[in-house]
Amino acid sequence: EVQLVESGGGLVQPGGSLRLSCAASGFTFSSYEMNWVRQAPGKGLEWVSYISSSGSTIYYADSVKGRFTISRDNAKNSLYLQMNSLRAEDTAVYYCARGAYVDTAMAAYYYYGMDVWGQGTTVTVSS
Amino acid sequence: EIVLTQSPGTLSLSPGERATLSCRASQSVSSSYLAWYQQKPGQAPRLLIYGASSRATGIPDRFSGSGSGTDFTLTISRLEPEDFAVYYCQQYGSSPLVTFGPGTKVDIK
Repeated sequence: EVQLVESGGGLVQPGGSLRLSCAASGFTFSSYEMNWVRQAPGKGLEWVSYISSSGSTIYYADSVKGRFTISRDNAKNSLYLQMNSLRAEDTAVYYCARGAYVDTAMAAYYYYGMDVWGQGTTVTVSS
Repeated sequence: EIVLTQSPGTLSLSPGERATLSCRASQSVSSSYLAWYQQKPGQAPRLLIYGASSRATGIPDRFSGSGSGTDFTLTISRLEPEDFAVYYCQQYGSSPLVTFGPGTKVDIK
């Protein structure tokens, strides 16, 4: 079964740090781009960060640039989000989501939307 | 920077009715990179449509997507009870890399 499972959320004080993890299973993790998407309470979806299949290309939303760091370990089928200098406005459910499939052997790229999502992990920034 | 606007904000309909949801982009979006998602309370989003008009795996054919350039539409031909939810459009590839619309809530009239 194709699955993403997030962990690492919790309650943290403003200015603090957290590291989120996303464990992937049921597919060839190293062939897929990955994203973090968050949703503040009662609000819509906000894209946070992207990482290419190899980890060589990374993008961030302006709201987290300079504070958050995305990374991946393809040997461990895992995606991470290091969150520093946390603010109250970072309070949200954080989802990892699978992106495009990259076939490096065929030099092919397939974008089918964010087709697999984890269940989310809740981050609360409060004193 | 691409901004996605969805309308209406809320759509109140009865089961069996047709729902038409709009997503408008501030700049042209490649149809290949326009997707729609459904989200129910307490659940993760679920991919419905990718490439503006292709249904994701397991999505019923009452869901259809259309459009190009700056105007895209999600249509639910006959609403089932399980279709009452929030729907988001999303673009990929322009600055910022990923943008979601604010969502349209489809609720029961």
